Amino acid sequence: KAGVTQTPRYLIKTRGQQVTLSCSPISGHRSVSWYQQTPGQGLQFLFEYFSETQRNKGNFPGRFSGRQFSNSRSEMNVSTLELGDSALYLCASSRADRGYGYTFGSGTRLTVV
Amino acid sequence: DAKTTQPNSMESNEEEPVHLPCNHSTISGTDYIHWYRQLPSQGPEYVIHGLTSNVNNRMASLAIAEDRKSSTLILHRATLRDAAVYYCILSENSGGSNYKLTFGKGTLLTVNP
Repeated sequence: KAGVTQTPRYLIKTRGQQVTLSCSPISGHRSVSWYQQTPGQGLQFLFEYFSETQRNKGNFPGRFSGRQFSNSRSEMNVSTLELGDSALYLCASSRADRGYGYTFGSGTRLTVV
Repeated sequence: DAKTTQPNSMESNEEEPVHLPCNHSTISGTDYIHWYRQLPSQGPEYVIHGLTSNVNNRMASLAIAEDRKSSTLILHRATLRDAAVYYCILSENSGGSNYKLTFGKGTLLTVNP
């Protein structure tokens, strides 16, 4: 069974640009969450989508946004990139029932220069 | 956000059992206890989760205290491949079936040959 697929794996962007990251969840998983991981802050929750609706949002500025499509695939967008946005961005999918765990992708490594 | 407390690091020898502790004194009655682990350059990997009763799977066992204020992840026979950062997380009920994972710093497990 295919896992959670994130594309691209690596990305280098310039400060001020915007970026879009993609996540394809495991087939049948309707919940998709996004996390940011940095050495200083660790893993931080960005937002969660279920049936194309954002259900939960973490404490990140409005420059960070996302969406989910009808096939459960999700995209995350960061506008006006800052140097501090350099991080590993992880996507996780779940069946969305509270009794089930999350499956994480390998992440997209974003470097802002 | 409900918090968990874990030791920063632990060390074990190969083939020996490992008991990774976690305190979660502010846990609410509907929060599940999840454990994930993360190897270098990879996304977190689901290990196990539970609500009230002890749980076993092919990877590990989860022992939950009767008052649910603490839990212990048990690796029955540590291998070198078990060396990772282990996260104890509460899946907080943020309304209905919505929940999110709040990661702490985790425990870095070193396994000695």
